[in-house]
Amino acid sequence: DAGVIQSPRHEVTEMGQEVTLRCKPISGHDYLFWYRQTMMRGLELLIYFNNNVPIDDSGMPEDRFSAKMPNASFSTLKIQPSEPRDSAVYFCASRKPGGTDTQYFGPGTRLTVL
Amino acid sequence: QKEVEQNSGPLSVPEGAIASLNCTYSDRGSQSFFWYRQYSGKSPELIMFIYSNGDKEDGRFTAQLNKASQYVSLLIRDSQPSDSATYLCAVNLKGGANNLFFGTGTRLTVIP
Repeated sequence: DAGVIQSPRHEVTEMGQEVTLRCKPISGHDYLFWYRQTMMRGLELLIYFNNNVPIDDSGMPEDRFSAKMPNASFSTLKIQPSEPRDSAVYFCASRKPGGTDTQYFGPGTRLTVL
Repeated sequence: QKEVEQNSGPLSVPEGAIASLNCTYSDRGSQSFFWYRQYSGKSPELIMFIYSNGDKEDGRFTAQLNKASQYVSLLIRDSQPSDSATYLCAVNLKGGANNLFFGTGTRLTVIP
């Protein structure tokens, strides 16, 4: 089975631009998570969805960040406008219903905002 | 105090030795504990998880929980150079099955 797919793998943009990160979870998984990883703060949960519905967005740093999940196989994380402090690696992870709490991570998107 | 704390290391051990990694957590009600391995430039991958009811051994890896002292440890026996990575501890604080809080990780180097 294919794992979690993220695109793009690398994104370089200028301050003020809109950035859209994409994620395709593992088929059959009904939980989807967005994380941000930096050296200083480590891995932080931004938001997660269950059955395409946002459940907890308390980790979203500010209104510039938004996330959607229009269907079970696709989610986006958007930053508008982007700022240099948003530079980080953004991971998407998914989890199957029931069973353990195991989350499977995608390869990540390395975002650099100049 | 951070909710999940790890010594950032680096921790260096010779090949064949036992590597011991520790993690402390703040919420006494936590139920699930996870160890992820992350190679440089890669995504975290799950090594093992334990629940609050006991320790677990899987091959060269053993996860142990000390509920009284609120720490969880990962022991790697017969360490190999391929074990060199950053090890992330994750805990479901506040009883939320989906709200995993990660430590900042401990960097392990196994010296051949």
